Amino acid sequence: QQQVKQSPQSLIVQKGGISIINCAYENTAFDYFPWYQQFPGKGPALLIAIRPDVSEKKEGRFTISFNKSAKQFSLHIMDSQPGDSATYFCAATYFGNEKLTFGTGTRLTIIP
Amino acid sequence: EAQVTQNPRYLITVTGKKLTVTCSQNMNHEYMSWYRQDPGLGLRQIYYSMNVEVTDKGDVPEGYKVSRKEKRNFPLILESPSPNQTSLYFCASSRQLSYGYTFGSGTRLTVV
Repeated sequence: QQQVKQSPQSLIVQKGGISIINCAYENTAFDYFPWYQQFPGKGPALLIAIRPDVSEKKEGRFTISFNKSAKQFSLHIMDSQPGDSATYFCAATYFGNEKLTFGTGTRLTIIP
Repeated sequence: EAQVTQNPRYLITVTGKKLTVTCSQNMNHEYMSWYRQDPGLGLRQIYYSMNVEVTDKGDVPEGYKVSRKEKRNFPLILESPSPNQTSLYFCASSRQLSYGYTFGSGTRLTVV
């Protein structure tokens, strides 16, 4: 059972554009939603995370938008740069449970 | 340097030949986990451990074993590998999930 659904599978964005990756979850007990970034040959690394008590969290060019009623959250990358080209994973879990459920990943390519 | 170290990075083996992938962390993290990454399926948890001598199954535990005899080490054991276990494996650790996982660099396993 895929508890976290992620789309699109791949995304090509022009340099300077906005990259948007979407995720939807099923388990209403989830209360922690991180995004991980993975470069080729490396393990994933925590990029940004949000809890459902806020609807948006911004760190530099990266923003998470969260819609609790729709059970959806998304990652926005503003002014996308070639260095942002990577695979992005959304994930979800609930407080007290260290088990993290990942989405299927989005391969992002930023073209000049 | 704080890190999760996996060995080996690459491994080709034959069906049925027992193997162990080692994982060690130097951050005194209580929580450790193993994931496998497959195209289109994202990261799926195999086993996790909340502390020494405490382990539990993740989403895809069949065909794998783990042990946690010391806080820093969490080896993954494939007693009789099969071709469907060909995958990219990641070990991860965390002090607490909200601080994010630290992932190793991965082990690419091929079973022929």
